[in-house]
Amino acid sequence: QSALTQPPSASGSPGQSVTISCTGTSSDIGNYDYVSWYQQHPGKAPKLMIFEVIKRPSGVPDRFSGSKSGNTASLTVSGLQPEDEADYYCSSFSDNNGGIFGGGTKLTVL
Amino acid sequence: EVQLLESGGGLVQPGGSLRLSCAASGFTLYNYAMSWVRQSPGKGLEWVSVIYAGHGGTHYGDSLEGRFTVSRDNSQNTLYLQMDSLSPEDTAIYYCARDQRRGGAALWGFDSWGQGTLVTVSS
Repeated sequence: QSALTQPPSASGSPGQSVTISCTGTSSDIGNYDYVSWYQQHPGKAPKLMIFEVIKRPSGVPDRFSGSKSGNTASLTVSGLQPEDEADYYCSSFSDNNGGIFGGGTKLTVL
Repeated sequence: EVQLLESGGGLVQPGGSLRLSCAASGFTLYNYAMSWVRQSPGKGLEWVSVIYAGHGGTHYGDSLEGRFTVSRDNSQNTLYLQMDSLSPEDTAIYYCARDQRRGGAALWGFDSWGQGTLVTVSS
């Protein structure tokens, strides 16, 4: 099963908003609301930012929001801050009874 | 405080085997679905396997079933990943990760991760 499709890079200036897309199929994103997003800084373990498409764990700023339409999920980061610069990965449950990740998007804060 | 501590990584020759451990503290492993996720050097995340809360049913990523086996020791509160017939393509940092839902169906959101253990498959 192929990975979910994410753009390799995204960028924005401090204070701006940026949206990262994550495209799957009817076997994963399109069929389940178990979509999550992770932030990973270099040399660190991933951190859960969004779960069940739109929910934020406690402690995650409300500048981070998630959405889904059809087979595509999106992560929006509003009011970009320097510390948001990191790699972002989407993930979904899939018909193979397991998980699947996107290839990752490197977010640069200009 | 929830903590996950992986160990057991190292250098192994192609065709060899390795068993990874993930010691959990601050919560009871039995009550949570636990996954292994790997990351090849400079690459993205790849889901490897899951063992579900309670009944302990398991599932694996494509092409991994038959070579990898996930298990847990409830008395030790430790998760394991037995890896056999290793190839250079299995070289990666291996993370254990906890599903955020206690009991019941997994939410497939991993709210706690270990620091990872590096597995290098090379002759």
